[in-house]
Amino acid sequence: AQKVTQAQTEISVVEKEDVTLDCVYETRDTTYYLFWYKQPPSGELVFLIRRNSFDEQNEISGRYSWNFQKSTSSFNFTITASQVVDSAVYFCALSENYGNNRLAFGKGNQVVVIP
Amino acid sequence: DAGVTQSPTHLIKTRGQQVTLRCSPKSGHDTVSWYQQALGQGPQFIFQYYEEEERQRGNFPDRFSGHQFPNYSSELNVNALLLGDSALYLCASSFRPSAEITDTQYFGPGTRLTVL
Repeated sequence: AQKVTQAQTEISVVEKEDVTLDCVYETRDTTYYLFWYKQPPSGELVFLIRRNSFDEQNEISGRYSWNFQKSTSSFNFTITASQVVDSAVYFCALSENYGNNRLAFGKGNQVVVIP
Repeated sequence: DAGVTQSPTHLIKTRGQQVTLRCSPKSGHDTVSWYQQALGQGPQFIFQYYEEEERQRGNFPDRFSGHQFPNYSSELNVNALLLGDSALYLCASSFRPSAEITDTQYFGPGTRLTVL
């Protein structure tokens, strides 16, 4: 069974600080997909990134970066120079092979950026 | 390009009643998935519809049922409502080019259901 663990529940940072969100996953499949979504107070889940299990390259998109390490089953997310607009709940999710398309979510990380 | 839309935004029902939630997928998408998100938790997968059939189902009782229409829109029905059904119900749409492809799911704003 697929499982995603996000250990920290709430993280508070002062604006312009960096924040890293940890995501550890479990799966028996060799092919799988990992995702990060952002959920602002409005409630809508906003897609941030998708990564398949064969692509371990780290990725940077503006102030966001992701570190995927299969050896430790982790897919961590860093926000650099945080801003108040980054305040939200961030979810890591896993989908297993063959068009499964069923997302298993972690419990989420509440990020609070203090101005 | 319209994203995923859901209606209604909020709903209040009493125990034992039935409710229907609606979802219109993003343009070009043919697959709709439904998730339940309790307060302070991550979304839980309910089921997924493709080609007007339920293709996958999570660990939810038969009180939860759905439907997909020829225009790819979908409904989620919940019968005999319980207090524990109070949650945010999220619809997600995606495009399925083949059975082996896992595509990104895009979510709607959700329907907040309160059961009294």
